[in-house]
Amino acid sequence: DSGVTQTPKHLITATGQRVTLRCSPRSGDLSVYWYQQSLDQGLQFLIQYYNGEERAKGNILERFSAQQFPDLHSELNLSSLELGDSALYFCASGRRGTETQYFGPGTRLLVL
Amino acid sequence: KNQVEQSPQSLIILEGKNCTLQCNYTVSPFSNLRWYKQDTGRGPVSLTIMTFSENTKSNGRYTATLDADTKQSSLHITASQLSDSASYICVVRAGGGSNYKLTFGKGTLLTVNP
Repeated sequence: DSGVTQTPKHLITATGQRVTLRCSPRSGDLSVYWYQQSLDQGLQFLIQYYNGEERAKGNILERFSAQQFPDLHSELNLSSLELGDSALYFCASGRRGTETQYFGPGTRLLVL
Repeated sequence: KNQVEQSPQSLIILEGKNCTLQCNYTVSPFSNLRWYKQDTGRGPVSLTIMTFSENTKSNGRYTATLDADTKQSSLHITASQLSDSASYICVVRAGGGSNYKLTFGKGTLLTVNP
């Protein structure tokens, strides 16, 4: 158990819909990272937040957005969903001054 | 274009044997290289992180090497166990601060048989 929690574990929705994925980092970790893992694209870095502020952007689509709240939990919002958005979405957290990231168990999203 | 190539794509070994996984990268400017272990359906777990100045780093039975000149890294697993069956992913970070890019390899799927 990494100490990172993600909800929900599974999510099934339809094309065009919007969903919100939630992540609670390990106690004391200020950084939250979001990743997408699909069969054809592999693992991809989406975005990083640090202490409530956006820190770095990866391959995040404009239809996707994220935020980190004062209690440090983070949400990833996916809108206008397409079939190709079906994937595992991981959240990871890390401490300041270290590159080590601790991954959560992931949210499996299926868009029908 | 930043690329990370891992080989082999998959590997089957017997319990107790050693194995070596390869990672070649064309990433610039290099910041660090990470190896992750990912069990099926679970989140990746960090094994090692190596910067430019580090040649070797160990984590138990896992030893990673880095040759920054040839842009190659390897992950050596000693005395394999059934629990080592997983996908091993090489990730290279380019750039620093808030202007960085992470490039992921497609992973090597390792199966350890009894």
